[in-house]
Amino acid sequence: AQKVTQAQTEISVVEKEDVTLDCVYETRDTTYYLFWYKQPPSGELVFLIRRNSFDEQNEISGRYSWNFQKSTSSFNFTITASQVVDSAVYFCALSERLNGQNFVFGPGTRLSVLP
Amino acid sequence: EADIYQTPRYLVIGTGKKITLECSQTMGHDKMYWYQQDPGMELHLIHYSYGVNSTEKGDLSSESTVSRIRTEHFPLTLESARPSHTSQYLCASSERRETQTGELFFGEGSRLTVL
Repeated sequence: AQKVTQAQTEISVVEKEDVTLDCVYETRDTTYYLFWYKQPPSGELVFLIRRNSFDEQNEISGRYSWNFQKSTSSFNFTITASQVVDSAVYFCALSERLNGQNFVFGPGTRLSVLP
Repeated sequence: EADIYQTPRYLVIGTGKKITLECSQTMGHDKMYWYQQDPGMELHLIHYSYGVNSTEKGDLSSESTVSRIRTEHFPLTLESARPSHTSQYLCASSERRETQTGELFFGEGSRLTVL
């Protein structure tokens, strides 16, 4: 069975600090997809990134970076120089197919960035 | 910005009432989904549809029902609401073909409270 664990329930940082959100997953599939979504206070989930299981290249997008380590089944998310607007709940998700039917979401990590 | 809309955003009703949560998307997506999310918890798939006249139950058992008469519309109905139905309900959509991003587009959610 697939499972996603986000051990950090809540994190608080002061603006401009770097913060890393952890994500550990379990799956028996050899091909799978990993995602990060952001849920701001407004409620909708916003897609941030998708990573294929066969592509372990790390990715950087502005202040965001993702570290995919297949050997440890982890897909961690780092925000550099955090800003108040980064305050949200962040969800890591796993899917064996590119459709919502097979999405398994982690419990989420609530990030608070204080001014 | 995603073009998927949910109404109402907030609803407080008494036990036994019938309610319908509306979800519409203007992106022409074939696939639509309903997720249930308790505060601070992960998302659970309760219904999905791959096209008109197609509906399936998700992983989490739900007393709600859905219909898909039009591509853009995927309403969720509770015939007799109970306090255990109190939750946030998130609607999402994605394209039929497996896109490069595998992205789910989410609405802002409907927060239901049953007294």
